[in-house]
Amino acid sequence: GQNIDQPTEMTATEGAIVQINCTYQTSGFNGLFWYQQHAGEAPTFLSYNVLDGLEEKGRFSSFLSRSKGYSYLLLKELQMKDSASYLCAVRARGKLIFGQGTELSVKP
Amino acid sequence: DAMVIQNPRYQVTQFGKPVTLSCSQTLNHNVMYWYQQKSSQAPKLLFHYYDKDFNNEADTPDNFQSRRPNTSFCFLDIRSPGLGDAAMYLCATSYTLGQGLSNYGYTFGSGTRLTVV
Repeated sequence: GQNIDQPTEMTATEGAIVQINCTYQTSGFNGLFWYQQHAGEAPTFLSYNVLDGLEEKGRFSSFLSRSKGYSYLLLKELQMKDSASYLCAVRARGKLIFGQGTELSVKP
Repeated sequence: DAMVIQNPRYQVTQFGKPVTLSCSQTLNHNVMYWYQQKSSQAPKLLFHYYDKDFNNEADTPDNFQSRRPNTSFCFLDIRSPGLGDAAMYLCATSYTLGQGLSNYGYTFGSGTRLTVV
């Protein structure tokens, strides 16, 4: 079966850096996605990793280790608007399976 | 802009009264997905269509059905909604099933929030 774990909630300060971890166990792994979701809205794409290593995209970076079944999303220079749920999702056998999401609160 | 459009944005239905949610796309993507997302939970895949080929998840209740009359449209039918079916329903599309290493990304609609009274 598929199992994706991430912390339920995190709090960070405006301007700081935060790292959101995701661990997964799955068969047929074919890529890991990170999405941002504001309350009541659809998920929006942030990043994609299929090979080991770091992908950087502006203030957001994502890392993947396939051997460890581990990924993290790094958010730099946090802004208040970054307060949202961050979803880790694994693509396997043609399906996109989501973790429960990490609710990030950014405080002034 | 090419988009995935879900109608309506908010839907209120009565307990046990059939309801249909709709999704349309202008991306010409082969694959369309329906997810159910309850409050503070992960989106849960209900089923997907690859072209006309329907793929149901093993744990999707029989109460949920889907139709895809053409490439652009996909419908979610809930035959007898219960209080536990209140959720956000998300439609998503992708160009393929993503078998390769490329980022065949997923495009999500804005969702339909279903309330059952």
